[in-house]
Amino acid sequence: QKEVEQNSGPLSVPEGAIASLNCTYSDRGSQSFFWYRQYSGKSPELIMSIYSNGDKEDGRFTAQLNKASQYVSLLIRDSQPSDSATYLCAITGKLIFGQGTTLQVKP
Amino acid sequence: DAGVIQSPRHEVTEMGQEVTLRCKPISGHDYLFWYRQTMMRGLELLIYFNNNVPIDDSGMPEDRFSAKMPNASFSTLKIQPSEPRDSAVYFCASREREGYGYTFGSGTRLTVV
Repeated sequence: QKEVEQNSGPLSVPEGAIASLNCTYSDRGSQSFFWYRQYSGKSPELIMSIYSNGDKEDGRFTAQLNKASQYVSLLIRDSQPSDSATYLCAITGKLIFGQGTTLQVKP
Repeated sequence: DAGVIQSPRHEVTEMGQEVTLRCKPISGHDYLFWYRQTMMRGLELLIYFNNNVPIDDSGMPEDRFSAKMPNASFSTLKIQPSEPRDSAVYFCASREREGYGYTFGSGTRLTVV
């Protein structure tokens, strides 16, 4: 079992819709969880971090963490074409990355 | 701050040659990480340093790979001899402290022919 698993997608949503990206992890001791966005040909950039169970909101982005289920998700509200990218889930201090989910937002 | 600075941006070399990738972390960041990214394997952690000391190099694929951090503002990743399967984008990232997210450099795209 991989340490961090994501559906590679692509996930396609219409402009203005909610995009839901999911990630599961195997290490129950994980304490820190991050979402990175990577545009094609660019480096990953940190968009959200979450450390406690529950929801954390930042603008159009909401990260959700459920440690009991070993599950972390990212919701993007009012999706825009500029949100089209690969979203990478990462865990712990020594970041282990999932394979990433490609999101396509269609105008 | 200029962010994490990597050089060169692109490197094309012939199989068997030595390749050296360079990284300057953000000032004040105690942790430095080297990653490799390919379509097949995604982002793989190669090695990371804390206060210039290598902490975990279990991701270094072979003895052909070596990394150093002689001071807080500079690190190198060396491949000798290089092979075509080393072709990838190599990222350097730094972090201020434990538990914080990383800031990535722009990466070095390495092509070994």
